[in-house]
Amino acid sequence: GNSVTQMEGPVTLSEEAFLTINCTYTATGYPSLFWYVQYPGEGLQLLLKATKADDKGSNKGFEATYRKETTSFHLEKGSVQVSDSAVYFCALSALYNNNDMRFGAGTRLTVKP
Amino acid sequence: GAVVSQHPSRVICKSGTSVKIECRSLDFQATTMFWYRQFPKQSLMLMATSNEGSKATYEQGVEKDKFLINHASLTLSTLTVTSAHPEDSSFYICSARDSGLNTDTQYFGPGTRLTVL
Repeated sequence: GNSVTQMEGPVTLSEEAFLTINCTYTATGYPSLFWYVQYPGEGLQLLLKATKADDKGSNKGFEATYRKETTSFHLEKGSVQVSDSAVYFCALSALYNNNDMRFGAGTRLTVKP
Repeated sequence: GAVVSQHPSRVICKSGTSVKIECRSLDFQATTMFWYRQFPKQSLMLMATSNEGSKATYEQGVEKDKFLINHASLTLSTLTVTSAHPEDSSFYICSARDSGLNTDTQYFGPGTRLTVL
């Protein structure tokens, strides 16, 4: 079945450092890929998405590229801020499978001033 | 963007009572809604898929008689935790997919924290 493997945290960075959170997936067909962010005590917010190979999703300085050849969707940001501290979830979903959104384990990011 | 609300945001109840959680899509119609459970510092676990006008589809290991789901309209799904016990304490999150768009993006509610004493 479909699955997502995500870099385990926690990740602690200093402000303005470069961020990479690795995500790889296993899926049949051509799923869409997502990054969601969860701030303390809140639900999930869609951060970015990509629906086909070589698409790049981007938002708020974060970006991720759908790499079919390496089955990856790594999240990057060039300069993190304290306000980026949260838990980040990689996920995949497939329209052809009505309910199949699979999440990675989540990576907790803490950015220190 | 699409907004999904949940009510209540927090609930504390006594063991043996039942608790109902509402999930609403505020500015779109959702034929399909999803219910997830999240334990502390863990990922989301899909509990069930709620289909408007039909029975919910439960994931393996989730008791359908324990977690009753009703999706009576295109904008509302409810999850009722029946005869709640302390082990049911968790963060429950719903999501919805916009029926009007050919998209697989799910929009999540803010979650409901259930504490069973």
